[in-house]
Amino acid sequence: GAGVSQSPSNKVTEKGKDVELRCDPISGHTALYWYRQRLGQGLEFLIYFQGNSAPDKSGLPSDRFSAERTGESVSTLTIQRTQQEDSAVYLCASSLRGLSSYNEQFFGPGTRLTVL
Amino acid sequence: KQEVTQIPAALSVPEGENLVLNCSFTDSAIYNLQWFRQDPGKGLTSLLLIQSSQREQTSGRLNASLDKSSGRSTLYIAASQPGDSATYLCAVNRNTGFQKLVFGTGTRLLVSP
Repeated sequence: GAGVSQSPSNKVTEKGKDVELRCDPISGHTALYWYRQRLGQGLEFLIYFQGNSAPDKSGLPSDRFSAERTGESVSTLTIQRTQQEDSAVYLCASSLRGLSSYNEQFFGPGTRLTVL
Repeated sequence: KQEVTQIPAALSVPEGENLVLNCSFTDSAIYNLQWFRQDPGKGLTSLLLIQSSQREQTSGRLNASLDKSSGRSTLYIAASQPGDSATYLCAVNRNTGFQKLVFGTGTRLLVSP
């Protein structure tokens, strides 16, 4: 079966523009996660969805970042008024269930965002 | 705040060597620990997951150990191959009731033929 997919794979934008990043999780996975990896740094947790609700948004770096999930499937991460420090690889992961310690997360290939 | 550190940051070895990658974490209250590999332009691939009640997990040439009380994990790779070249990440699942992974910065491994 298909793994986690993300689009676009690369995005170059100008400072101040809005961008949308898309994640398609593995079919049937109820939990979905967004992470960010800036150059030379480790992955940072951004947000977690259980179904269509987001019980934990604690990792979102500012109110310019938002995310939604519909149909317990596709998720969109939106960054408004992009800044150069938003440049990073944005990774999405899904797992069969979230509320358990025993569920492995499967990652997509990421979207490389460059803000000029 | 949980912090995860990986040593060394980079490692270069000739093919066939056995090697050990280290991961340490500051808060021992974890559910589990995962080791991943990351290839350029690709996502993360899960290698091994160790539950907090376990001491080690093995998969093929890989063996991961966990000493929760001391906040340490090691990934042992036997008989390394050029195809093992990648960045290896460890991540701990915080004790929050769902999988919120905290990642280390990784070890970049190069295995030369």
